[in-house]
Amino acid sequence: DGGITQSPKYLFRKEGQNVTLSCEQNLNHDAMYWYRQDPGQGLRLIYYSQIVNDFQKGDIAEGYSVSREKKESFPLTVTSAQKNPTAFYLCASSMSRGYQPQHFGDGTRLSIL
Amino acid sequence: AQSVTQPDIHITVSEGASLELRCNYSYGATPYLFWYVQSPGQGLQLLLKYFSGDTLVQGIKGFEAEFKRSQSSFNLRKPSVHWSDAAEYFCAVGAITSGGSYIPTFGRGTSLIVHP
Repeated sequence: DGGITQSPKYLFRKEGQNVTLSCEQNLNHDAMYWYRQDPGQGLRLIYYSQIVNDFQKGDIAEGYSVSREKKESFPLTVTSAQKNPTAFYLCASSMSRGYQPQHFGDGTRLSIL
Repeated sequence: AQSVTQPDIHITVSEGASLELRCNYSYGATPYLFWYVQSPGQGLQLLLKYFSGDTLVQGIKGFEAEFKRSQSSFNLRKPSVHWSDAAEYFCAVGAITSGGSYIPTFGRGTSLIVHP
């Protein structure tokens, strides 16, 4: 079955450490997105990518970085510059032509040790 | 810029009762509207979408939503709630950005609690 795989499901970060969250999709979708979810705040867009080798900042990009070297993969790095990284991170993908709904992975919960 | 308001943070209903979750949007043109559901620790699943045409939209799991342009609303309804419907519900409005990208904006969510 086609879908989006996020790994790991749980991740712990030490102070001053960078961590990378994986997102892989086999839906042949052009566009991919990263969201951060905090209780009571809904989903906030971190980065998105419409095509390979191109990505754009979302509303809360500071302290995060991404790459899009392959259509199937859109990893997110949470850098040490992100002072409050504890959150639930969701990856999504969609067709980029027209108004298409997003498909979501099951998320990665990141916590600070 | 578009925005979405879900006025109710929590909604509590009894199993078998009807349900209506409210969603109001702000967008200058014809909106593209979605409802998603999220179970604890999971990703979001699409319930239904409205792009154009009939303003009453049927979705999965027995849900429906009605687009009312005059009220800028897209409320989600279900005639009889099941205990398994307890989850977080998100309304979203999609719009094309000036750069040609499609980026949805999500509401803050409504948590549905179902009493037996």
